[in-house]
Amino acid sequence: GNSVTQMEGPVTLSEEAFLTINCTYTATGYPSLFWYVQYPGEGLQLLLKATKADDKGSNKGFEATYRKETTSFHLEKGSVQVSDSAVYFCALSDGGTYKYIFGTGTRLKVLA
Amino acid sequence: GAGVSQSPSNKVTEKGKDVELRCDPISGHTALYWYRQSLGQGLEFLIYFQGNSAPDKSGLPSDRFSAERTGGSVSTLTIQRTQQEDSAVYLCASSQSFGGAGNTIYFGEGSWLTVV
Repeated sequence: GNSVTQMEGPVTLSEEAFLTINCTYTATGYPSLFWYVQYPGEGLQLLLKATKADDKGSNKGFEATYRKETTSFHLEKGSVQVSDSAVYFCALSDGGTYKYIFGTGTRLKVLA
Repeated sequence: GAGVSQSPSNKVTEKGKDVELRCDPISGHTALYWYRQSLGQGLEFLIYFQGNSAPDKSGLPSDRFSAERTGGSVSTLTIQRTQQEDSAVYLCASSQSFGGAGNTIYFGEGSWLTVV
């Protein structure tokens, strides 16, 4: 079945450091891929998405490229800020089903 | 409404009691989802509604869990005879339709359930 695997956290970085959070997936067909973010005390919100191979999603300085050959959708940001501290979830949806499959989440802590 | 609304935001209940969690999706969204987020765990899919129908309830953890949706809008998740392992954040989400390339789901802030 479909699944998402993302790197374990927590990830602790200094402000302005480069961020990578790895995400790989297993899916039949051609899923859409998402990154959701959960800030402390808040609900999950969409950060970015990509719907086909080689698409790049971007938002708030974050980027992720849909790599079909490596079944990956790694999240990157060139310079993190304290306000980026949150839990990040990788997810996929297969257009043929109704389930959105989420990874276990990666907690990011950015220190000033 | 402007976003997905869930109530109560926090609920502490005694073991063995029944609880009801409510979700009011974004107006016009036909698809509604319930997920559970346990401490340190990812999101566990529970059930999905398209309109008032729930085609697949296999994600519900046990027969103590049930959900309904009326009028294609508000949904209620009911947990009977709660157990301590039911303690979690119950998240509701909605979308304009189900599936579809890049269809985004929008989450509420969750209902924090603690069973003591």
